Amino acid sequence: SQTIHQWPATLVQPVGSPLSLECTVEGTSNPNLYWYRQAAGRGLQLLFYSVGIGQISSEVPQNLSASRPQDRQFILSSKKLLLSDSGFYLCAWSYAGVNSPLHFGNGTRLTVT
Amino acid sequence: DAKTTQPPSMDCAEGRAANLPCNHSTISGNEYVYWYRQIHSQGPQYIIHGLKNNETNEMASLIITEDRKSSTLILPHATLRDTAVYYCIVNLDYGGSQGNLIFGKGTKLSVKP
Repeated sequence: SQTIHQWPATLVQPVGSPLSLECTVEGTSNPNLYWYRQAAGRGLQLLFYSVGIGQISSEVPQNLSASRPQDRQFILSSKKLLLSDSGFYLCAWSYAGVNSPLHFGNGTRLTVT
Repeated sequence: DAKTTQPPSMDCAEGRAANLPCNHSTISGNEYVYWYRQIHSQGPQYIIHGLKNNETNEMASLIITEDRKSSTLILPHATLRDTAVYYCIVNLDYGGSQGNLIFGKGTKLSVKP
């Protein structure tokens, strides 16, 4: 069966510090991968998605970047965090192709102080 | 903005069926109806999805009206662990855009003993 791992679960970082959140998927090959952010009491905002190694699409301009160095690894980064980067970050995967739902990790609660 | 309308909250007695409605009157012919749920501080969990026909899996049943303008998620025997926010989403399902799910505010289902 497929599993998705996301870490760390919680993170407190000062403004201006770098960020690296990692997500890995097991049990499938060539998945589509996604990063979302969920602000308190609000819906999910798609930040990045990837349909293959090195292929990243950005949905919104922001202080963050994403990379996919390996087939089942997706990394969310920032060089300098802003207060507004605080939130709940979720990684998700789906099979490539049509008719495939998303499967989410348990998220990282990021607080920028 | 979400393309769906759901009641903000519902209660259900433990062991009874929970019927969660969703209106999606502007759904287009090639958009699927997806249901996810989110337990506090966890990532969303995929439940079920469908296009035209009713669907059933080990978690729930999805009933879509003939005109596809509304649907109902049915949890046949609700348990306390089914307490969560339930999201109904309509989405095109191809390539990376399947990740561009617009999560509205959902329905907070409270299952009571």
